[in-house]
Amino acid sequence: RKEVEQDPGPFNVPEGATVAFNCTYSNSASQSFFWYRQDCRKEPKLLMSVYSSGNEDGRFTAQLNRASQYISLLIRDSKLSDSATYLCVVKGGDTGGFKTIFGAGTRLFVKA
Amino acid sequence: EAGVAQSPRYKIIEKRQSVAFWCNPISGHATLYWYQQILGQGPKLLIQFQNNGVVDDSQLPKDRFSAERLKGVDSTLKIQPAKLEDSAVYLCASSSRKGEYEQFFGPGTRLTVL
Repeated sequence: RKEVEQDPGPFNVPEGATVAFNCTYSNSASQSFFWYRQDCRKEPKLLMSVYSSGNEDGRFTAQLNRASQYISLLIRDSKLSDSATYLCVVKGGDTGGFKTIFGAGTRLFVKA
Repeated sequence: EAGVAQSPRYKIIEKRQSVAFWCNPISGHATLYWYQQILGQGPKLLIQFQNNGVVDDSQLPKDRFSAERLKGVDSTLKIQPAKLEDSAVYLCASSSRKGEYEQFFGPGTRLTVL
């Protein structure tokens, strides 16, 4: 089993749709969680951190479920510019809390 | 504020040759990361430095890969000798703290091994 797993997609949705991505992780001692966005042939960029209480940033909502060991990302009112690969990132769980693991990413295509 | 700089942007070599990549992190960032991203996959952490010390190199193929961060600023990643499966984008990132803080990525070096 991979340490961080994501549905690779692709998700093809029309503009204005709501889309949700899930990510599961295997190490229950993991400490920090993030969603990064990566455009084609570009570097990853932080989209948002994920907190235990859940957090929202405009059209984006992230949630963490420690009991079930998954995190989620919800995008409402999708825009064409949301087309990208969304990477789930899990940090910590090792002695020093250093370990960083990226998921393989979920591809999203938003169509006009 | 200047971002993470990497060079070269592209490199094509033949198998068994050597190659080196350079990274200059954001000024003041103590933590520096090197990742390997193979097409269609997420970035895989190769090595993480805290200042000039290594804190995680568990996924670095040490028989052929080496990295250093002299004086806790710039870093170089070397592959010697290269294999076909080393073809990937090598990403450098930096952050101001070890754990929870945002990682800022450079544009990457796209390596092709023929």
